[in-house]
This record gives sequence, structure tokens and C-alpha cells, in this order.
Amino acid sequence: AQSVTQPDIHITVSEGASLELRCNYSYGATPYLFWYVQSPGQGLQLLLKYFSGDTLVQGIKGFEAEFKRSQSSFNLRKPSVHWSDAAEYFCAVAPRDSGYALNFGKGTSLLVTP
Amino acid sequence: DVKVTQSSRYLVKRTGEKVFLECVQDMDHENMFWYRQDPGLGLRLIYFSYDVKMKEKGDIPEGYSVSREKKERFSLILESASTNQTSMYLCASSFGGRDQPQHFGDGTRLSIL
Repeated sequence: AQSVTQPDIHITVSEGASLELRCNYSYGATPYLFWYVQSPGQGLQLLLKYFSGDTLVQGIKGFEAEFKRSQSSFNLRKPSVHWSDAAEYFCAVAPRDSGYALNFGKGTSLLVTP
Repeated sequence: DVKVTQSSRYLVKRTGEKVFLECVQDMDHENMFWYRQDPGLGLRLIYFSYDVKMKEKGDIPEGYSVSREKKERFSLILESASTNQTSMYLCASSFGGRDQPQHFGDGTRLSIL
């Protein structure tokens, strides 16, 4: 079955430390891949997307993600976390061959400590 | 910038009422979506529409219906609200291709008493 997994429900990092949020997917063919961020009480904002080509994708707010076909992963990274990065992060995939809707992971809640 | 506007940020209704949630986008997007967001469950698709008057059921359509009479507006209808429909509702829109990112509104937090 097609699925998107974010293994970490909660992650806590210190301000200034590096961050990696994991995302794994299970699809027959490599889907379109997205990362979204949701600040408290807000809707979702697109951080970055991967369609093809360079496997390291740059996004907004200093985030990047690396696509690894062999591991069916699309992990989100940031070299130095700021307190304002505290939010919920969602990985989402869209199949290349059917449908229009996104399939979301259950999200990772990021807490940033001083 | 794309603007997706949901008519209410917070809404409180009573069991059995008919509830309308409205969503308007200003970017001439073909696709519009309604999601429901619950803690620990992430976002689940209720319905989406790929054109005016066209709709497709998502993963959890039971108890909901939708209406898209104009391209820019997509309404979610709770025919007879129940307490288990208390949730955050998110509207999104996108251009037609599968590779197109979805743009989200700020959400409506709906409480059914």
C-alpha cells in the first residue's frame, strides 16, 4: 500500500543546533515530494519540493532536503535552528501517475529550546 | 502571492445543524481541496474538486458534501453536524498538474457542541 511515514512524532533541539526530520515513502514509482510547515494556529506553508534532477533541494527559511531513491527517503535538514522554527512539519507525496491529492505523513512537532 | 481565504477562523455549532465552511482562492487554480486535521492523524482528505461542478471523494467523505459553483469558491457542507466532526478544517488549492504544490488557507477550527 502507498504510504508516507514520519517516524518521529516529536523532536527537541537546542537553538543553533542542526536539525534533520525524516520522511520515508512507499510508492511504486518515485512520487512528487513536498515538505510543508505549520505554525501554531496557521495553515500549511510550502518549504520545498522535489520533482526530478538534483537530489538536494533548497527551500525557504534556510531549509534543504535530500532525496535518496535507494532509501525511499526525503529528509528535511537545517544547519542551525532558530526559535521561530518551532512548528509542525509535514512530508507529503503526490503519485506521478494518478490522482491530484497529496498524501501527508502524520507530522513531526519541533520544539526549540534556548 | 496566492491567497486562500477561509471564511471563519473559529466556528461553534450545535449537533444536528447544517454547517457551511467557505473557501475562496484568488489564483485561478483548477484544483481545490478540503482536509480535516486531527492530532495524531495528520491531514486527511475529505473531498477535492478539479473543475467547476466536478468533485471527487477523498479518504473520509462520510457526513460531508461539497459545492463548487464558481472556480474560485469551494464549500464544505456538514449536512447534520455531529460531535465527532469537531476538528480543524483546511482548504487548499493548486494548478492542474500533479506536480503542482497546494496552497493552504489558515484553517477553520470547528467545534460541534
